[in-house]
Amino acid sequence: DAGITQSPRHKVTETGTPVTLRCHQTENHRYMYWYRQDPGHGLRLIHYSYGVKDTDKGEVSDGYSVSRSKTEDFLLTLESATSSQTSVYFCAISAGPSSTDTQYFGPGTRLTVL
Amino acid sequence: DAKTTQPTSMDCAEGRAANLPCNHSTISGNEYVYWYRQIHSQGPQYIIHGLKNNETNEMASLIITEDRKSSTLILPHATLRDTAVYYCIVREDSNYQLIWGAGTKLIIKP
Repeated sequence: DAGITQSPRHKVTETGTPVTLRCHQTENHRYMYWYRQDPGHGLRLIHYSYGVKDTDKGEVSDGYSVSRSKTEDFLLTLESATSSQTSVYFCAISAGPSSTDTQYFGPGTRLTVL
Repeated sequence: DAKTTQPTSMDCAEGRAANLPCNHSTISGNEYVYWYRQIHSQGPQYIIHGLKNNETNEMASLIITEDRKSSTLILPHATLRDTAVYYCIVREDSNYQLIWGAGTKLIIKP
């Protein structure tokens, strides 16, 4: 299994509070991604990073920000959580963007916003 | 939007081969077919991918039709632990984007 950990694994918070999710990898991969998954749906890309301090938006980036100060860590922040951000969040990593660079996924963080 | 069409659900008997179809009729020449699966509440797990030739690894085989408009993932001897949602994804070369559909829920029955 790819060396990817996510923390916390479960979190319950209240509307309006800030939340930060952490993804940590031990593979030294250049690319890191944050996805969200809602019931009955596939994953949707929130943000991704292609190197330290290099990030870009994905399909559903509104309400989220990211930071990557070290190769191994990619943080996802909800500045002011809303109930619509209740979801399961997955981090993924890949060595590069090409089709031969498979994306490997972490175990997920289940976030509930009350 | 996802560029693939998969059946919503399928059953297979334990020990038999599970054949999961996927249609990707608008696939382009530089787009790969990827398969992932997701066991309940876990992160997606990579299975296999291919461009136009059939591929096999320790988990599964991928059969892509000659016109590349459809493919089949084969799990040769399904076990109960193969019960999962299986996602077929078309991915452009040198493009990080994975566009996920709803997948096929495969249930392996004893």
